[in-house]
Amino acid sequence: QKEVEQNSGPLSVPEGAIASLNCTYSDRGSQSFFWYRQYSGKSPELIMSIYSNGDKEDGRFTAQLNKASQYVSLLIRDSQPSDSATYLCAVNTGNQFYFGTGTSLTVIP
Amino acid sequence: DTAVSQTPKYLVTQMGNDKSIKCEQNLGHDTMYWYKQDSKKFLKIMFSYNNKELIINETVPNRFSPKSPDKAHLNLHINSLELGDSAVYFCASSNGGVVTGELFFGEGSRLTVL
Repeated sequence: QKEVEQNSGPLSVPEGAIASLNCTYSDRGSQSFFWYRQYSGKSPELIMSIYSNGDKEDGRFTAQLNKASQYVSLLIRDSQPSDSATYLCAVNTGNQFYFGTGTSLTVIP
Repeated sequence: DTAVSQTPKYLVTQMGNDKSIKCEQNLGHDTMYWYKQDSKKFLKIMFSYNNKELIINETVPNRFSPKSPDKAHLNLHINSLELGDSAVYFCASSNGGVVTGELFFGEGSRLTVL
């Protein structure tokens, strides 16, 4: 299994703060990078995808990719209690998707 | 219409039994997957099928056998169930061959082996 590492957390932030989630991967051939959110008892849902170095913003979410450092991150601005979930980093290598162990985020009202 | 659907959503069974989980996708995707998610939320890839051909098998015991009658269906059959097989099994699909394709997940099938 290709290695994808995440801080398992749990991560707690107050409402309105910025939550920062990090992920590293081992395979330099990885081509696409994704962040999925998973609520308890539900299936993962895609919230961000990124394919080239730099930042990609979508609403309150910003994904950052640094292929040289094999690092991808997710920033959630103005965190809301509804953001409380497990966030899974996924890496696509040769059309196979490998996941990290997930980071549990709790946003405290 | 649900894009990726799995049945059943819950299975409770005894050790040693055989069970199957069915998966269907209506997205026209070429590649389908089975993932196992353990109690610690780790999603481990088990199988990947591209146009009905198995293209990966990540050291899964041969008690697990995927069957794909056509590219819209990928079923999972498990023989001689063991306690450690208890987990949530997710079916997923993607646009095979397209680097930027994302994974679409089914709702999951929670298997409990007693």
